[in-house]
Amino acid sequence: QSALTQPASVSGSPGQSITISCTGTSSDVGSYNLVSWYQHHPGKAPKLIIYEGTKRPSGVSNRFSGSKSGNTASLTISGLQAEDEADYYCCSYAGSSTWVFGGGTKLTVL
Amino acid sequence: QLQLQESGPGLVKPSETLSLTCTVSGGSISSTTYYWGWFRQPPGKGLEWIGSISYSGGTYYTPSLKSRVTMSVATSKNQFSLNLSSVTAADTAVYYCARHWSFQFDSWGQGTLVTVSS
Repeated sequence: QSALTQPASVSGSPGQSITISCTGTSSDVGSYNLVSWYQHHPGKAPKLIIYEGTKRPSGVSNRFSGSKSGNTASLTISGLQAEDEADYYCCSYAGSSTWVFGGGTKLTVL
Repeated sequence: QLQLQESGPGLVKPSETLSLTCTVSGGSISSTTYYWGWFRQPPGKGLEWIGSISYSGGTYYTPSLKSRVTMSVATSKNQFSLNLSSVTAADTAVYYCARHWSFQFDSWGQGTLVTVSS
């Protein structure tokens, strides 16, 4: 069971859109529509922002959206705001009641 | 509003057992809807799921740590706990607890740093 692969960092200017990729295998991301995404401001509690690939929990801005193609899931943030600067983690169900996370992506809002 | 708070020693000696407790407030741990999970984040690295436990004691553990992990639940105290045995410096991390809802984790604690050092 290996960690999912995310870019170490991405950046964008306020108002722009960015996409963070999350690449797994046919045993995890590719097999299930069960990818979740978490926003983490260091020192604070991580926050669920996308679940089951494309769904947003109540209260999460519709600027956040999720998608998947093959073994790669993606998180898109549109209309970037300064408060979006954080670390983002993907997570996938990997079968047999196990879960695997990505290494995390640091988003910088320029 | 559900809140989770991790507690336990911040320093553990090599070869000893790391023990942490997560206290849940604003909701009952005794729900058939949820499991309760433990995670960790070593310095400079990503999150890792350690395992999850139901209110009745059913458990799932990550294969790489299964031989060293034990989780338990204390419903009367609205708490659940993590024990990780035979720790080494590689177990130094921020440890988090969270509510495990279906296939995702929807409410988290702020984490607690545990350092393994003599």
